[in-house]
Amino acid sequence: DAGITQSPRYKITETGRQVTLMCHQTWSHSYMFWYRQDLGHGLRLIYYSAAADITDKGEVPDGYVVSRSKTENFPLTLESATRSQTSVYFCASKTRREAVTDTQYFGPGTRLTVL
Amino acid sequence: DQQVKQNSPSLSVQEGRISILNCDYTNSMFDYFLWYKKYPAEGPTFLISISSIKDKNEDGRFTVFLNKSAKHLSLHIVPSQPGDSAVYFCAASAPGNLIFGKGTKLSVKP
Repeated sequence: DAGITQSPRYKITETGRQVTLMCHQTWSHSYMFWYRQDLGHGLRLIYYSAAADITDKGEVPDGYVVSRSKTENFPLTLESATRSQTSVYFCASKTRREAVTDTQYFGPGTRLTVL
Repeated sequence: DQQVKQNSPSLSVQEGRISILNCDYTNSMFDYFLWYKKYPAEGPTFLISISSIKDKNEDGRFTVFLNKSAKHLSLHIVPSQPGDSAVYFCAASAPGNLIFGKGTKLSVKP
């Protein structure tokens, strides 16, 4: 199916474990983004990527690692999960075109719980 | 310091009436704004946007107003329907990404 998908949708892990959240889009969008949503904070940008092999930090990058070897995939890794990383994570994508619209399209989210 | 502010965490409106959701921003360089709607357990979906060269953009029941001098925008929903109950995020376009407000939870009561 076309669109943007995330896996897993739900994940429970323990403090100190490595976790990778997957994001895949079929639109060949250049830009991809990772956000986390927490009560009282709205959506905060973790990392983004303008193209394959180009990534940059967002507002809250500490404790996270990203890679973009292929245009369609943008995995987010928590190298050593902490309780403060319990959150809902959203992946998004958009085209490179600097057109009138700057619409980002979001995946369904991954709810991560770190015990 | 928050660059995009939605000062009302929640709003309750009767079905059929107008819903007005407000958003303020601090950076006068922002020139494009978007509203996203989010249902529980789903990702945000784009609703409507406005460029700084306009002061109003309308799409069906949804209208966004922009007051650049006040650095304020608002989303009007008329008439409100129970299916509009969701969290609404205001966002400003910045180089490479969007800056989101904290969201306003709208409840439309039948």
